Parts: sequence; structure tokens; C-alpha cells
Amino acid sequence: AQSVTQPDIHITVSEGASLELRCNYSYGATPYLFWYVQSPGQGLQLLLKYFSGDTLVQGIKGFEAEFKRSQSSFNLRKPSVHWSDAAEYFCAVAGGATNKLIFGTGTLLAVQP
Amino acid sequence: DVKVTQSSRYLVKRTGEKVFLECVQDMDHENMFWYRQDPGLGLRLIYFSYDVKMKEKGDIPEGYSVSREKKERFSLILESASTNQTSMYLCASSFGYWGNLNTEAFFGQGTRLTVV
Repeated sequence: AQSVTQPDIHITVSEGASLELRCNYSYGATPYLFWYVQSPGQGLQLLLKYFSGDTLVQGIKGFEAEFKRSQSSFNLRKPSVHWSDAAEYFCAVAGGATNKLIFGTGTLLAVQP
Repeated sequence: DVKVTQSSRYLVKRTGEKVFLECVQDMDHENMFWYRQDPGLGLRLIYFSYDVKMKEKGDIPEGYSVSREKKERFSLILESASTNQTSMYLCASSFGYWGNLNTEAFFGQGTRLTVV
């Protein structure tokens, strides 16, 4: 069965610093991978998605993620964090015969001024 | 704009009650999902439906059932509500094929259910 691990529960970065959020997945075939963001009191919004082709995926709000099959990872990056990026970030995997969409436990990002 | 609408934002129910959470989508999506969100546990899949009358159990189906009689509507049923089912419930929908650039899951605003 597919699964997703986000090893960092909580991360604090300074505004303007770079960011990397980790995501590891378990899935037998080529996965479809997603990053969603949930701002306080808001719904979930898709940041980016990997489904084939180029392993470096560009998303909204200046985010990117790199699919590394050999490491079963799909880490999210941003070169310079803004205070408005403070939110909870969820990695997810989909695909296979069941077509389910499975989420990780999330990483809560705090941004220091 | 895609819309996934959950019938209630907040709900308070008593232990033992039968509870219905309704979700409607307007994009003719094949897939519909019910998750519960709890702090530190992320989004956990309760049930998933890939077509009318078709359903699959997720990771935590115990104590829940679902109904999908029409493509646009997916209902979550708590057969006998218990306090450990107090949570935020999120409905989502998507097209059936994930290998398309435009396929993503769209979420409703959530129902915060409190069981007392």
C-alpha cells in the first residue's frame, strides 16, 4: 500500500532564508506526487504536482520540488521564505489500481521576522 | 471555479447519534474522498469512491460508512457517533486519471464535528 512520510513535524526559518521540506513515499510504481499548503483557517491549496517527465517541478508562490526515484523522495524547496509562507504543508501520493490519494502527517512552518 | 461544498461548517452531536456529513461537487469528478484531519496526524483517508455506488475503505474506516448514489454527492455517515470522532472532516474530489497535468484534488472548507 502507498504511504507518505514527512519526518519534520515543525520547522522554523527566518524570513528571507531558504527552505526545504522533506517528503518520502512508498509506492511500487511511478507515483503521482503532490504538495498542498493549508494556511491558518483556510482550505488546502495545491502548490505543485509531479506526474511524469522533468523531475524538477515548478509550482505557485515560488515553490519547486524535485522527484528523486532512487531516494523515494519529493522534497519541497523555496529559495527565500516570506512571512506569508507560514502554514502547514502536506505531501501526498496517488496512483495504482486503487487510485487513492494518501497524505503525510504534515509539516508546520513558522517564519521568524 | 471548481466547487466542493460541505453541508455544514460546524456541527455538534451527541454520543450515539447517527450523523450525516454531505459533500457536493460541481465538476463531474469521478473520484470523491472523505478525510479527517487531526493535529499531528495529518489527513487520514476514511473512504474513497471512484464512481457512483463504488467505494473503497481508506486507512480508518471503522465507525464510518459512505453513500454515493449520484456522481456529484458523497455522504459520510457516522453510524453511532462517539467522542473520539470529534474532528475536522474534509471532503475532496478529482478526475479519475492522475496522470494528467490538470488533475488535482479539490477540497471543501471542512466540517468541524464535535461529539459530546
